Amino acid sequence: DAGVTQSPTHLIKTRGQQVTLRCSPKSGHDTVSWYQQALGQGPQFIFQYYEEEERQRGNFPDRFSGHQFPNYSSELNVNALLLGDSALYLCASSRPGGIYEQYFGPGTRLTVT
Amino acid sequence: GQQVMQIPQYQHVQEGEDFTTYCNSSTTLSNIQWYKQRPGGHPVFLIQLVKSGEVKKQKRLTFQFGEAKKNSSLHITATQTTDVGTYFCAVLTYLDTGRRALTFGSGTRLQVQP
Repeated sequence: DAGVTQSPTHLIKTRGQQVTLRCSPKSGHDTVSWYQQALGQGPQFIFQYYEEEERQRGNFPDRFSGHQFPNYSSELNVNALLLGDSALYLCASSRPGGIYEQYFGPGTRLTVT
Repeated sequence: GQQVMQIPQYQHVQEGEDFTTYCNSSTTLSNIQWYKQRPGGHPVFLIQLVKSGEVKKQKRLTFQFGEAKKNSSLHITATQTTDVGTYFCAVLTYLDTGRRALTFGSGTRLQVQP
């Protein structure tokens, strides 16, 4: 049973560009959350997707958008990249009900130059 | 959302010494989760605490939830080099959408000297 997978593992982009990150949740999980983790910090909640809709958003600008597909996989899009967007982007999935244990993927390391 | 403060930010111990990290909130928490992130890795769920005064043990790890449900601690007895990593507490919030979301603390980075 594959866990949460993310692609790509590393990405280098230039300021002003756009980026798309991808996530496949753990089998049986229907909710996907995205987090941004800056160096030395805890994960910061970006948004959560359930039933193909954004259900909640953290304190992130509209440059950050997402999508969830019928197979529960998800994308995170960031437009007009800033240097401060450089971080580890983590996708986490959770199963219906239960204690809301978050299963994290390995993350995508984004560097903006 | 609910905020939690974690202390210390960093601790360096000799192998075999004990280690404790604390998570504090100014408001009452409905529950708290703990995660471990190894260097270069991703957070891995350790445990969830729900009840006032709850104590749970996992081998050398002891987790406590305060009586007032405003603080929590993780204690590691006789640390080993495999304990190296950053330990995060996270608060589960029930949203007005009926969904749930986690707010993470800033973490305590543990370094173990062999």
